[in-house]
Amino acid sequence: DTAVSQTPKYLVTQMGNDKSIKCEQNLGHDTMYWYKQDSKKFLKIMFSYNNKELIINETVPNRFSPKSPDKAHLNLHINSLELGDSAVYFCASSQVAGGLGTIYFGEGSWLTVV
Amino acid sequence: SQKIEQNSEALNIQEGKTATLTCNYTNYSPAYLQWYRQDPGRGPVFLLLIRENEKEKRKERLKVTFDTTLKQSLFHITASQPADSATYLCALMDSSYKLIFGSGTRLLVRP
Repeated sequence: DTAVSQTPKYLVTQMGNDKSIKCEQNLGHDTMYWYKQDSKKFLKIMFSYNNKELIINETVPNRFSPKSPDKAHLNLHINSLELGDSAVYFCASSQVAGGLGTIYFGEGSWLTVV
Repeated sequence: SQKIEQNSEALNIQEGKTATLTCNYTNYSPAYLQWYRQDPGRGPVFLLLIRENEKEKRKERLKVTFDTTLKQSLFHITASQPADSATYLCALMDSSYKLIFGSGTRLLVRP
């Protein structure tokens, strides 16, 4: 039973395309996140949702749009992909919002923009 | 500026020895600090959480200390095994309740 699952795991696409990454958690958590891990391995928060409401929105280009249809799902849509968007994107969830609780990560989605 | 610093150089130790990894932070006053393990090609996995009023926390072969005066956390793995080889990330909660991660230290345990 995968706790936080995200698809696709690997994605290679051309500049200018639009792509989506889907995420689902079966832990019953109220809070979900998207993190980006760049080539230097820094893991940076992008967005956080609590019960389908956006609570954290870091300085992320508005080409990135998260969507939470229900509290078990948080999808990430990226418009007009750029070379610099190449990274690993991790979906995550926690019972308690923010740094107050343990965060459970998915396996990551490797995005390569060519 | 706010920083979380972990040694970017890999720590290479012999099996059976104790591994000690360091996490230093600047301009944060975290109430909590967490440690995660990340294997290549995988997502980070939670290991331990320590609160600001706790000096030390243990879990099996793992021990974490938290010194709010030094602004430092140490992560120890005793009797290290090759299976402990991974990247270890520290993370702390900032004033807006976000969990901020360090860049991690890679641990290599030689058999």
